Amino acid sequence: QQPVQSPQAVILREGEDAVINCSSSKALYSVHWYRQKHGEAPVFLMILLKGGEQKGHEKISASFNEKKQQSSLYLTASQLSYSGTYFCGTERGGYQKVTFGIGTKLQVIP
Amino acid sequence: NAGVTQTPKFQVLKTGQSMTLQCAQDMNHNSMYWYRQDPGMGLRLIYYSASEGTTDKGEVPNGYNVSRLNKREFSLRLESAAPSQTSVYFCASLEWGGNNEQFFGPGTRLTVL
Repeated sequence: QQPVQSPQAVILREGEDAVINCSSSKALYSVHWYRQKHGEAPVFLMILLKGGEQKGHEKISASFNEKKQQSSLYLTASQLSYSGTYFCGTERGGYQKVTFGIGTKLQVIP
Repeated sequence: NAGVTQTPKFQVLKTGQSMTLQCAQDMNHNSMYWYRQDPGMGLRLIYYSASEGTTDKGEVPNGYNVSRLNKREFSLRLESAAPSQTSVYFCASLEWGGNNEQFFGPGTRLTVL
């Protein structure tokens, strides 16, 4: 069952912040975040595990609310290089089956 | 260290033809995956293999078969291709318990006429 992502698309100006949400109706063990540029393969950003801490770097970070089965990806002070489609992948624990949402298309403009 | 490799990069088939997409990884990962990507549909899991010798269905397995030949290789077979299988196919591998990073191959763009 695919997780649900929102928003489906967002346009930012350089320097603005964005939040991308990912939710599931099932209990989750892990949430994975990826970014894909047009014509390329998805690239790993980070993984959040049940019981783990909020992850990320200074400008791209994520959280995982286990009780609500929700994760959020935070992009701060956006740069042109942040443009792409962001996918969250979820895994329910023990089965190693990772399924992805339909993605959030993010465009950063000057 | 090549990571995840896929062959071919592009393929055009006629309806009813068969073909096998090859995938190999050199990172000694236990888990391997096949996804298809269609516009507006995101990445959908076709089959996965949690370890050598095991395979399991994903969200959209109909019309496909897989073989986990050994720890390195995981192939996807279309027995009788249909236009609905026109898509970009990605293979991925992951080692649970390590960095937990799923590495993707470059993809195979398949068109079925």
